[in-house]
Amino acid sequence: KAGVTQTPRYLIKTRGQQVTLSCSPISGHRSVSWYQQTPGQGLQFLFEYFSETQRNKGNFPGRFSGRQFSNSRSEMNVSTLELGDSALYLCASSFGLGGNTGELFFGEGSRLTVL
Amino acid sequence: QKEVEQNSGPLSVPEGAIASLNCTYSDRVSQSFFWYRQYSGKSPELIMSIYSNGDKEDGRFTAQLNKASQYVSLLIRDSQPSDSATYLCAVNGGMDSSYKLIFGSGTRLLVRP
Repeated sequence: KAGVTQTPRYLIKTRGQQVTLSCSPISGHRSVSWYQQTPGQGLQFLFEYFSETQRNKGNFPGRFSGRQFSNSRSEMNVSTLELGDSALYLCASSFGLGGNTGELFFGEGSRLTVL
Repeated sequence: QKEVEQNSGPLSVPEGAIASLNCTYSDRVSQSFFWYRQYSGKSPELIMSIYSNGDKEDGRFTAQLNKASQYVSLLIRDSQPSDSATYLCAVNGGMDSSYKLIFGSGTRLLVRP
């Protein structure tokens, strides 16, 4: 079956702009988690959505937001981009809540560069 | 203090040796522990999970858990060059962390032919 699909794969933005990333989970999975990965900080948890509701949130500023649609697809948005937002953004889907099952299936990521 | 700590490495071992990867966590109420493998330029993939104290074996991989010491390890026997990757320890954060799955920064493993 198809895996987790993230779009776009690569994007370049300038400071102050906003960006929207999209994630389509594995069919039948109801949970989508978002992580930010940087060389210095590793995988940092952003938030998790389950059945269109945010179930968990990491320690990121309010510029980072997300949502989930009725078909389980999810988007995350970063407003007023800063240089430090340059990172690989990974989406992961799971059948149940990711924090409970621990079994996350990751997409290939969206690599964001902020100039 | 980081919630999940790993030595960044690289850990270099010769082919055929045992690679030992370690992870400590801070939340005493954590219940579930996982090891993910991430090849360079790829996404993480789950390779092992462990929930109770002791050892759990799966092929060449053995996960070890010691909740009293808040310590998780992954042993890779008969290491192969194809095992060269970054290994991420992940912990269910427990109630204080709202049961988030929290990852360590990963240990890079290099298996020398």
